[in-house]
Amino acid sequence: DGGITQSPKYLFRKEGQNVTLSCEQNLNHDAMYWYRQDPGQGLRLIYYSQIVNDFQKGDIAEGYSVSREKKESFPLTVTSAQKNPTAFYLCASNSPPYGYTFGSGTRLTVV
Amino acid sequence: GDSVTQMEGPVTLSEEAFLTINCTYTATGYPSLFWYVQYPGEGLQLLLKATKADDKGSNKGFEATYRKETTSFHLEKGSVQVSDSAVYFCALEKGNRDDKIIFGKGTRLHILP
Repeated sequence: DGGITQSPKYLFRKEGQNVTLSCEQNLNHDAMYWYRQDPGQGLRLIYYSQIVNDFQKGDIAEGYSVSREKKESFPLTVTSAQKNPTAFYLCASNSPPYGYTFGSGTRLTVV
Repeated sequence: GDSVTQMEGPVTLSEEAFLTINCTYTATGYPSLFWYVQYPGEGLQLLLKATKADDKGSNKGFEATYRKETTSFHLEKGSVQVSDSAVYFCALEKGNRDDKIIFGKGTRLHILP
């Protein structure tokens, strides 16, 4: 079955540590996205990529970095510069005009 | 710019009640419209969609009709169940390669047994 796989499901980060969230898709979609969701809140766009080797900042890119070396993969690194990283992170891919397909999310907690 | 506005929650209903969650949009052109559902601790799932005016999307007993004259895409269900408790997001997409989906802020639905 085609879909998006996010890993890990739960991730704990120590202060000052960088962590990387994985997102893999086998849908052959060109566009991929990372969103952050805080409790009781909507979705905020972190980064997106519409083609391999290219990506753009979203609304809240500070403290995050991404790469898009392969069509199937769009990992997100939460750097130590992100002062409040505890949140639920969602990856999505898209093939307009059929709507986004989302992964099941990674819950990141600072310990 | 383009935007989606949906009713604020939480919405609390008893089981078997009729559900309406309002959604209106502002967009140029002819966007596609979507409803997504998010169950606790999970990602978003596409619930239904409509790609042109007067289209009705439907799935799992939920329906929404694309009303261009009122720029609306209200979500309805005739008889809700406890298992429908979730957060519902209305969204639009212009369909161009470089366009991103625009989401509403979400509406939390609680169904009481």
